[in-house]
Amino acid sequence: DAGVTQSPTHLIKTRGQQVTLRCSPKSGHDTVSWYQQALGQGPQFIFQYYEEEERQRGNFPDRFSGHQYPNYSSELNVNALLLGDSALYLCASSPTDRNTEAFFGQGTRLTVV
Amino acid sequence: AQSVTQLDSQVPVFEEAPVELRCNYSSSVSVYLFWYVQYPNQGLQLLLKYLSGSTLVKGINGFEAEFNKSQTSFHLRKPSVHISDTAEYFCAVTLGRAGKSTFGDGTTLTVKP
Repeated sequence: DAGVTQSPTHLIKTRGQQVTLRCSPKSGHDTVSWYQQALGQGPQFIFQYYEEEERQRGNFPDRFSGHQYPNYSSELNVNALLLGDSALYLCASSPTDRNTEAFFGQGTRLTVV
Repeated sequence: AQSVTQLDSQVPVFEEAPVELRCNYSSSVSVYLFWYVQYPNQGLQLLLKYLSGSTLVKGINGFEAEFNKSQTSFHLRKPSVHISDTAEYFCAVTLGRAGKSTFGDGTTLTVKP
């Protein structure tokens, strides 16, 4: 079992561009949550996907959107990138209604210049 | 809404000494409590969690934590630390089994020889 895999591991984007980050959940998990971890801070919840729909959302602007596919993999899209979007983006997967059993991926380090 | 406060941003300690990392939380309802460890440029690894039952929880790598409902605390302890324990430690709470996780800002544990 490869666990939770995220791609890419690192990327650099320019202000105003758009970015897509990808996450493959752990085998047997159907729920995917995304977190943003700015330097020196704890992860902050962006949103959670279940059955291909956004089920919960944190305090992030509409520039942050997502998608979940039938195979449970997920994407995080960020439009009109700002310098402040530079962070480590973490994906966590969990079984249905059991976020207490979440596993985290290694993250994608996004740098906006 | 729940919140998490990690009382120490940095904890330096000598190898083989005991250590305690402090975490307080606030919530109007019952929550589930977690400690995670993050090594440089990596994702989060679960150390231990409290869901119910015994208030003393044992985790991986010799760590343990005690849930204190009256003081709304969940402090992490290890009787003897190793150089390899040097990392960032995060306390988190989850509201309900399907809820999002709220993280503290982290404690940097530095173990010196």
